[in-house]
Amino acid sequence: NAGVMQNPRHLVRRRGQEARLRCSPMKGHSHVYWYRQLPEEGLKFMVYLQKENIIDESGMPKERFSAEFPKEGPSILRIQQVVRGDSAAYFCASSITGDQPQHFGDGTRLSIL
Amino acid sequence: SQQGEEDPQALSIQEGENATMNCSYKTSINNLQWYRQNSGRGLVHLILIRSNEREKHSGRLRVTLDTSKKSSSLLITASRAADTASYFCATDAVLQFYFGTGTSLTVIP
Repeated sequence: NAGVMQNPRHLVRRRGQEARLRCSPMKGHSHVYWYRQLPEEGLKFMVYLQKENIIDESGMPKERFSAEFPKEGPSILRIQQVVRGDSAAYFCASSITGDQPQHFGDGTRLSIL
Repeated sequence: SQQGEEDPQALSIQEGENATMNCSYKTSINNLQWYRQNSGRGLVHLILIRSNEREKHSGRLRVTLDTSKKSSSLLITASRAADTASYFCATDAVLQFYFGTGTSLTVIP
């Protein structure tokens, strides 16, 4: 049973470009969470989605960031017009239900030139 | 602000010794979870303890929870070099998980 798959593992973008991060949850998991980890810091919650619905996006910046989890396909975290401060590791996690342990992917490391 | 705060930030011990990490949080929780993160990898779930539990064991891991003090501890007994990693506590508070900054554990062979 494959775990949570994130791609790409590393993504380099220039300032002003768009970044798209993908996350395929574990089979049977319909709850997806996105986290951001800055160097030397803990993970910070960004958004919680359940198939086609955003449950909680209180941790996500109001501008330039968006997330979706369509009926078919992976969850996408999209960052428009990236800035240097967006450089971080972005982790996706999935769970069977909202109160079960989350299983994490290996993250996407985003670097902004 | 972050809900969970781990202490110490870094810990270095000899193989075979026990390692204890502490976590403090601020508000009421449904449960508290401990995760391990190896360098460059995602988090691995270690153990979950519910708010009505005081202690839980899993192999060489022992977790305690004191809701009156809003704190938890993770004990790793008979440590191994492979236990070298960062350890995070996460608190579950109404749909969101809050992670601390982690404890970096180094086990010296």
